[in-house]
Amino acid sequence: DIQMTQSPSTLSAFEGDRVTITCRASQGISNWLAWYQQKPGKAPKLLIYKASSLQSGVPSRFSGSGSGTEFTLTISSLQPDDFATYYCQQYSTYQRTFGQGTKVEFK
Amino acid sequence: EVQLLESGGGLVQPGGSLRLSCSASGFSFSSFAMTWVRQAPGKGLESVSTISGPADSTFYADSVKGRFTISRDNSKNTLYLEMTSLRAEDTAVYYCAKEGSSTSAFDYWGQGTLITVSS
Repeated sequence: DIQMTQSPSTLSAFEGDRVTITCRASQGISNWLAWYQQKPGKAPKLLIYKASSLQSGVPSRFSGSGSGTEFTLTISSLQPDDFATYYCQQYSTYQRTFGQGTKVEFK
Repeated sequence: EVQLLESGGGLVQPGGSLRLSCSASGFSFSSFAMTWVRQAPGKGLESVSTISGPADSTFYADSVKGRFTISRDNSKNTLYLEMTSLRAEDTAVYYCAKEGSSTSAFDYWGQGTLITVSS
């Protein structure tokens, strides 16, 4: 199985901060990577697909980059609605695997 | 509008069985692969099982292989997950998720249904 490792596990930030979350794959996955946002008690929401493509309706302050084994999710200016847990997910194989999640907290 | 609605969750004893359903609407159901994703309380996301649009291909995580069976009825726009030999570690919220055609990621999710395996 392809293992996905996110860092950090928790991130404390102020509203307006630029935030970056990193995701590393245990083997190359080209650009078959997605990012999801999840709020407590809710289903995950797709933010980014194919590593850098913004899902329809997602604010442009979210961006993704990377290929191969190293990927990042950046929030250019953190808004109150962005405090949530973020997951990366690879889909280069039928065994889709997720990172362990990064919780973005209010500092 | 795409909608996915899971049902069938509840409390079940260890070793028991349960069948989940996911009713889909708002898109051409038979054209898209579907996946069951679960989330144990306070934990991360795990992709459990995937089925292709025509139902000619299925995949299972090692943790459920031989115990869970995914299926779909494209005439009823419904996805199923038959779960047997349930264990305490299967306790989780189970989501059904649709794979996008252009994204190939999970672009729509249901609201989830909770399975609790306990005596």
